[in-house]
Amino acid sequence: DAGITQSPRYKITETGRQVTLMCHQTWSHSYMFWYRQDLGHGLRLIYYSAAADITDKGEVPDGYVVSRSKTENFPLTLESATRSQTSVYFCASSHYLQETQYFGPGTRLLVL
Amino acid sequence: ELKVEQNPLFLSMQEGKNYTIYCNYSTTSDRLYWYRQDPGKSLESLFVLLSNGAVKQEGRLMASLDTKARLSTLHITAAVHDLSATYFCAVDITPSGNTPLVFGKGTRLSVIA
Repeated sequence: DAGITQSPRYKITETGRQVTLMCHQTWSHSYMFWYRQDLGHGLRLIYYSAAADITDKGEVPDGYVVSRSKTENFPLTLESATRSQTSVYFCASSHYLQETQYFGPGTRLLVL
Repeated sequence: ELKVEQNPLFLSMQEGKNYTIYCNYSTTSDRLYWYRQDPGKSLESLFVLLSNGAVKQEGRLMASLDTKARLSTLHITAAVHDLSATYFCAVDITPSGNTPLVFGKGTRLSVIA
């Protein structure tokens, strides 16, 4: 089906482990984004990408790594997970940078 | 630094009542977005306001934009339970055009009987 998907939807991991969250979109949107959502902080931008092999930091990039080898995929990796990275992670995409973003269903991550 | 402030952050209102959510931002912008998030769900686009004085309406929700006052409002008319959700505004910084949208912290609306 067309749209934007995220996997896994739920993940429990331990401190220090590497975790990769996947994001896939079928619209051929140029821009893709990763946000985390925490109570009291709203949505905070982690990284975004303008095209394959072009990524840029957002508000809270520390502890995260992204890559974008194909336009449709934008994985987010927590290299060494910490408890403070327990959150709900949303991926989004849009045609242009200043345009309506379309959000994926989210991944709930718990770091023990 | 662009700041986007929504108020109130929490709102409990009775069915049938009217209320307004405010979104203030700290720099020049003529493009503003409203999103809705149901509990445990993702964000969905509600309105796109593209110029000063823009007004959009859908059902019991009406959004407006005043770029001179750097203010957008989301007005709720005769609230019903189905409107219970978190509402976010997001602002486009112009004229640079090379930075992502900045989101407010959201207004959590609860409509009670």
